[in-house]
Order: sequence, then structure tokens, then C-alpha cells
Amino acid sequence: AQSVSQHNHHVILSEAASLELGCNYSYGGTVNLFWYVQYPGQHLQLLLKYFSGDPLVKGIKGFEAEFIKSKFSFNLRKPSVQWSDTAEYFCAVNGDNFNKFYFGSGTKLNVKP
Amino acid sequence: GAGVSQSPSNKVTEKGKDVELRCDPISGHTALYWYRQSLGQGLEFLIYFQGNSAPDKSGLPSDRFSAERTGGSVSTLTIQRTQQEDSAVYLCASSLDPSPYNEQFFGPGTRLTVL
Repeated sequence: AQSVSQHNHHVILSEAASLELGCNYSYGGTVNLFWYVQYPGQHLQLLLKYFSGDPLVKGIKGFEAEFIKSKFSFNLRKPSVQWSDTAEYFCAVNGDNFNKFYFGSGTKLNVKP
Repeated sequence: GAGVSQSPSNKVTEKGKDVELRCDPISGHTALYWYRQSLGQGLEFLIYFQGNSAPDKSGLPSDRFSAERTGGSVSTLTIQRTQQEDSAVYLCASSLDPSPYNEQFFGPGTRLTVL
């Protein structure tokens, strides 16, 4: 079965700091990879996704993620965070069964102004 | 409506009672998903509907859980004889069609507390 690990459960940064959130998955086949974000009081929404091609994908609000197949990783990055980036971030993957999405346990990011 | 809606937003029930959770997907979306998010856990896939096809129930944790989708639109998740471990946020999502290339749009969730 597929699984997704997010090792950072809670990250606290000051504004303008750089961000990298880890995501590792376990599945040896072709995968589709996603990052979702949930801002306080809002619904989960898609931040970015990777299906194929350039392993560096760019999403909304200056976020990007890099797919490294050899490391089974899809880490999320942002060069300079803002207070408005305070949210919970979820990594997700689907592979052999496109109906099923496997989510990580989430990382809560708190950006101090 | 503009997005996925779920009701109720909060539900408190006693152990052993049955509960029904409702999801209204975005109009025209043929794919509908139910997830469960327990405290400190990620989203756990429960069930998936696509149009009139048989649902993928492989994520339902026990036979106390069932779901239906009437007319290809509204879906109801039913939990019978609730247990304390059923306490969680239940999220519904819909997408235009089942392709993973289509974004899933999530509802606000129903927070279920079983006393």
C-alpha cells in the first residue's frame, strides 16, 4: 500500500525566512503528487501538482516543489515566507489506483510577523 | 452553490447511535470522495463515487460505515452504532471527473464527536 510521510509536524518561521517542508512517499510505480494547503478557517485547496515532465513544479503564491524520484520525495519550498502563509500543508500521492489519494499527516506552518 | 457544502458542520452523538453526514458537491462534478481526518492524522480515504458506476468502498474501515450518492449528486455517509474512535472530521471532495489531473475541491467538513 502507498503511504506518505511528512516528518515536520510543526514549523515556526519568521517572515522572509526560507521554507522547505519534507514529503516522502512509498510506492515504486508511476505516481502523481500534490500539495494541498488549508488556511485558518478555510477549506483545503490545491497548491500545486506534479504528473510528469519537469520535476520542478511551480504553484500559487510563490510555492514550488521538486520531485526527486530516487529519493521518493516531493518537498515543498518557498524562498521567502509571509505571515499569510500560516496554514497547514498536506502532501498527497496517487498511483496504482487513481481513485485513491493518500495524504500525509500535515505540517502546520506558523509564520511570525 | 459555488463550492462543496457539507452538513452538519458539527455533530455530537452518543456511542451506539447512528449518524448521517451529507455532502453537496459542485454542480456538474461527477466524482465525489469521502475522507476522514482523525486528530493528528492525515486524510484517510473512505469511499469514491464516479457517476453511476459502482463506488470504490475499499477505504471504509468497517461495515458500520456506508455511503450512497443519489442521482449522481448529493451523497450521504452513514455511520451505524458509532464508537468513540469514529470521532474525526469527515471531509467530502468533488472533481469534474475522476482523472487525477482534475483538482479535488473540498468542503468544510463535518466534525463528529462521539461521547
